[in-house]
Amino acid sequence: DQQVKQNSPSLSVQEGRISILNCDYTNSMFDYFLWYKKYPAEGPTFLISISSIKDKNEDGRFTVFLNKSAKHLSLHIVPSQPGDSAVYFCAAIPDRGSTLGRLYFGRGTQLTVWP
Amino acid sequence: NAGVTQTPKFRILKIGQSMTLQCTQDMNHNYMYWYRQDPGMGLKLIYYSVGAGITDKGEVPNGYNVSRSTTEDFPLRLELAAPSQTSVYFCASSYSLQLKDNEQFFGPGTRLTVL
Repeated sequence: DQQVKQNSPSLSVQEGRISILNCDYTNSMFDYFLWYKKYPAEGPTFLISISSIKDKNEDGRFTVFLNKSAKHLSLHIVPSQPGDSAVYFCAAIPDRGSTLGRLYFGRGTQLTVWP
Repeated sequence: NAGVTQTPKFRILKIGQSMTLQCTQDMNHNYMYWYRQDPGMGLKLIYYSVGAGITDKGEVPNGYNVSRSTTEDFPLRLELAAPSQTSVYFCASSYSLQLKDNEQFFGPGTRLTVL
């Protein structure tokens, strides 16, 4: 049962435009959310995170928005650059129970930024 | 700092063979994790460790074993390889299980094929 869902396997965006990657989750115990970026033949690298007490977090060109009532978050990249082409994973951490600290990942979205 | 290193990068096994995937981190992290990523899927947690001598099962532990004799090393053992274990395996480590400090650092992965 996929508790973190990324329903778009791929996204193609022109350089300079905005990229919006979406993520939905089903587990109401999730309290912290992260985005990871993965290039081919490399491990995922941390990009940006957000706590459930916030609805927005910005870091340079990257902004993550959280809509807790809709159990939805999105990653905005503005402006998009060819070097942003990678697979983006949404991940979530539950706050309670024995699974504290464990990451639950979505399937990833392949972002392609073309010149 | 080398971060998280994994060996080997690639391996082909025959059904029934055994092998150990090596993982080492030099960041003095207490927490270490093994994930597998099947094609088109997100990462799934196999085992994790909260410190030397302490390990616990993740979502998909069947067919695997782990040990943690030192802070640095967290090997993953496959005893009787099966085609269903064909996957890319990622090792990760983190400073803490606390939410805000839970950024996990990943190794480059081991691509395993079982024929």
